[in-house]
Amino acid sequence: NAGVTQTPKFRILKIGQSMTLQCAQDMNHNYMYWYRQDPGMGLKLIYYSVGAGITDKGEVPNGYNVSRSTTEDFPLRLELAAPSQTSVYFCASSYGRDPQSYNEQFFGPGTRLTVL
Amino acid sequence: QQPVQSPQAVILREGEDAVINCSSSKALYSVHWYRQKHGEAPVFLMILLKGGEQKGHDKISASFNEKKQQSSLYLTASQLSYSGTYFCGTGNSNTGKLIFGQGTTLQVKP
Repeated sequence: NAGVTQTPKFRILKIGQSMTLQCAQDMNHNYMYWYRQDPGMGLKLIYYSVGAGITDKGEVPNGYNVSRSTTEDFPLRLELAAPSQTSVYFCASSYGRDPQSYNEQFFGPGTRLTVL
Repeated sequence: QQPVQSPQAVILREGEDAVINCSSSKALYSVHWYRQKHGEAPVFLMILLKGGEQKGHDKISASFNEKKQQSSLYLTASQLSYSGTYFCGTGNSNTGKLIFGQGTTLQVKP
């Protein structure tokens, strides 16, 4: 199993450009998440999904969009990139069928994004 | 509401013990603990689902006090490999969604 994979690993964008951060998991997990982590800070939830076709906002959704057409993939779209979106972006997934169950989140390696 | 971790940073010598606290102003359903080494992704340590539950993983253990709305992570006889930033996350029962604390940086020196 590859686990959670993210592409690209690094990206530099100009202000106003758009891009899509890719995330895929091969563990058949229902739940998927996007976080951003600013330097020296904690993880902030951007969007999450509890299954294909279902997404919802997290703590910091402004400037981002997501879609979940399959169980495996959960891309994050940045429209009109701004310097405030410079951050490391982590995708994660968890099994999550039963709220009482073991809900460990598995993280991808991250995408380091710089907006200049 | 983001949980609050204390202390913000700890420096230890090998073999010393440390405690990291995580407090919430809201009722807690579950508490998750993760460790992140510099430049890497967070890695799961343990989850506590019930009030009063304690769990252990090698020499790292945690407790969960539902009444006080807090959890504590105990690192015993610390090793160099324990260095990193520790995050607690408080969980939502229906969505698996976590809200993470700001992190506690632990540095273990020889």
